[in-house]
Amino acid sequence: AQTVTQSQPEMSVQEAETVTLSCTYDTSESDYYLFWYKQPPSRQMILVIRQEAYKQQNATENRFSVNFQKAAKSFSLKISDSQLGDAAMYFCAYKQGEYGNKLVFGAGTILRVKS
Amino acid sequence: GAVVSQHPSWVICKSGTSVKIECRSLDFQATTMFWYRQFPKQSLMLMATSNEGSKATYEQGVEKDKFLINHASLTLSTLTVTSAHPEDSSFYICSAFGTFQETQYFGPGTRLLVL
Repeated sequence: AQTVTQSQPEMSVQEAETVTLSCTYDTSESDYYLFWYKQPPSRQMILVIRQEAYKQQNATENRFSVNFQKAAKSFSLKISDSQLGDAAMYFCAYKQGEYGNKLVFGAGTILRVKS
Repeated sequence: GAVVSQHPSWVICKSGTSVKIECRSLDFQATTMFWYRQFPKQSLMLMATSNEGSKATYEQGVEKDKFLINHASLTLSTLTVTSAHPEDSSFYICSAFGTFQETQYFGPGTRLLVL
């Protein structure tokens, strides 16, 4: 079974600085998708970024980018120019490719942003 | 795009009563919807997968007679908590699967308090 591991229960970053959240996963599949979701205090789950495993290029969305290392099964999220609104719980998630649509979530990382 | 609504956002009910939660995909059709339960500061726990026009698939340990799921259309799934008890108090989140991006989009969640 696939597993997702987030080894950092909590992280802190100074406003305007850069922070990286770690995620590793375990799968024997070659076709899959990886996601980072953000859950602010409102508890609404918000999609931050998505990466298709067949794409070698790392996904980016404005201040958010990933470092996808397929061989190492690593999928870290980098947040640049951190803002107070980035404070949230961040979840890494895995989805099997074509015939799967369930998500396997990591335990989450609480990100605190200091002003 | 890819907006999912959930209603109600808050519900308080007496022990022994039933509560229905609606999940709607507002701007896309979702053949598959998911229902999760989340305890504070924990990850999402998948309860069941809801497919339009067919019976839901429940995860191990989830009582199907207690958590009734109906997916009557491509934009609506409902979760009914039957004969609710205080231990059912939790945060329930639905998501809708968008095949166009192989991504789950989440509703804002429902806080259920059973007295």
